Amino acid sequence: QLQLQESGPGLVKPSETLSLTCTVSGGSISSSTYYWAWIRQPPGKGLEWIGSIFHRGITYYNPSLKSRVTISVDTPKNQFSLKLSSVTAADTAVYYCAIDSNGYYFDSWGQGTLVTVSS
Amino acid sequence: QSALTQPPSASGSPGQSVTISCTGTSSDVGGYNFVSWYQQHPGKAPKLMIYEVSNRPSGVPDRFSGSKSGNTASLTVSGLQAEDEADYYCSSYAGSNTYFVFGAGTKVTVL
Repeated sequence: QLQLQESGPGLVKPSETLSLTCTVSGGSISSSTYYWAWIRQPPGKGLEWIGSIFHRGITYYNPSLKSRVTISVDTPKNQFSLKLSSVTAADTAVYYCAIDSNGYYFDSWGQGTLVTVSS
Repeated sequence: QSALTQPPSASGSPGQSVTISCTGTSSDVGGYNFVSWYQQHPGKAPKLMIYEVSNRPSGVPDRFSGSKSGNTASLTVSGLQAEDEADYYCSSYAGSNTYFVFGAGTKVTVL
């Protein structure tokens, strides 16, 4: 069974770029037909889908974040990544990576990583 | 403001049933049979409980069931147990522009 683990800085300064990586274990990121997703949850609030990438590199982004988001796959490292530019305090959240096996729901999630935007 | 509307809280005694609603529009819940439900315990990652309106992933107890009528989906937890106390989020596919929307979550308390 595929497992996911997020990693990256826990503190980012306002106006800078948030960068996170999700490492996939238990299988190859390139041999599957899954979508690889990023979802976030501000403290005490609900879930927000950020975007997804299909293993062939096709990306889908939340329209409200599209101008600031880039999701990419690093096949040799079996990882996929999130970059969110021009961050503000409103981007403070727990960021989860997740697997979407058929394009319509999130089967399995990483444990999440808290990113705080503060100077 | 979340795209899907859920009640903030619901409760029931052990053994009873609780039903959580999730109301959207014809552009999301009503337009596709791609409603999913997630359980989240404090400090933990969400867990998929129901997909495609009423299907349970392997390992999810059959006490959890889902349904949909028009623009409103529902999750029912029958035979409530202490471990069912958690936050529950609904989600729906919303077409090729918006893709995915979530509800704000419902906190289920086992009395």
